[in-house]
Amino acid sequence: KQEVTQIPAALSVPEGENLVLNCSFTDSAIYNLQWFRQDPGKGLTSLLLIQSSQREQTSGRLNASLDKSSGRSTLYIAASQPGDSATYLCAVSPANQAGTALIFGKGTTLSVSS
Amino acid sequence: DAGVIQSPRHEVTEMGQEVTLRCKPISGHDYLFWYRQTMMRGLELLIYFNNNVPIDDSGMPEDRFSAKMPNASFSTLKIQPSEPRDSAVYFCASSYSANEQFFGPGTRLTVL
Repeated sequence: KQEVTQIPAALSVPEGENLVLNCSFTDSAIYNLQWFRQDPGKGLTSLLLIQSSQREQTSGRLNASLDKSSGRSTLYIAASQPGDSATYLCAVSPANQAGTALIFGKGTTLSVSS
Repeated sequence: DAGVIQSPRHEVTEMGQEVTLRCKPISGHDYLFWYRQTMMRGLELLIYFNNNVPIDDSGMPEDRFSAKMPNASFSTLKIQPSEPRDSAVYFCASSYSANEQFFGPGTRLTVL
């Protein structure tokens, strides 16, 4: 059974720091991996989608990498800002069930202080 | 596009009452998903549809839960009768083919 783990559960950094959020999954047979942001009391905002054939995706100050063989993904945030404070969720889609439900990690709650 | 629309945004009800949550997916999307988020268990799939047909309902907790998708632009999740342990945030999401999923704002359900 696929399990997704995110470490650390919480992270506090000063504004301007570059940071890395980690995501690991137990079964390397995935179709894609998606990173989301969730603000308190709000829904999920999709940040980046990485297909299983890709190694990384970039959007602005965000860069997500994928190493399927080791079951790991990282989300790199450059020059962090207080507005980046939120919970970041990693989710994978199983390879044998394309288009099916995402399996989520519990998230990393990021706090960026000014 | 307005994104995925869910209603109501908040629902407070008493144990034993029927609850109906509604979702309008993004136009053109052929997959619709219902998830539930709790502090203890995080985000978990309840059921998903492809072209209005339920494909996997293995996450539906018990017979008290049912979901329908009568057409491509509307889905409901019903709980009857509701129990306090059903209190959670329920999210609807949609996608085109097997690609990026887009989530609605969620419905916060409180069962007293």
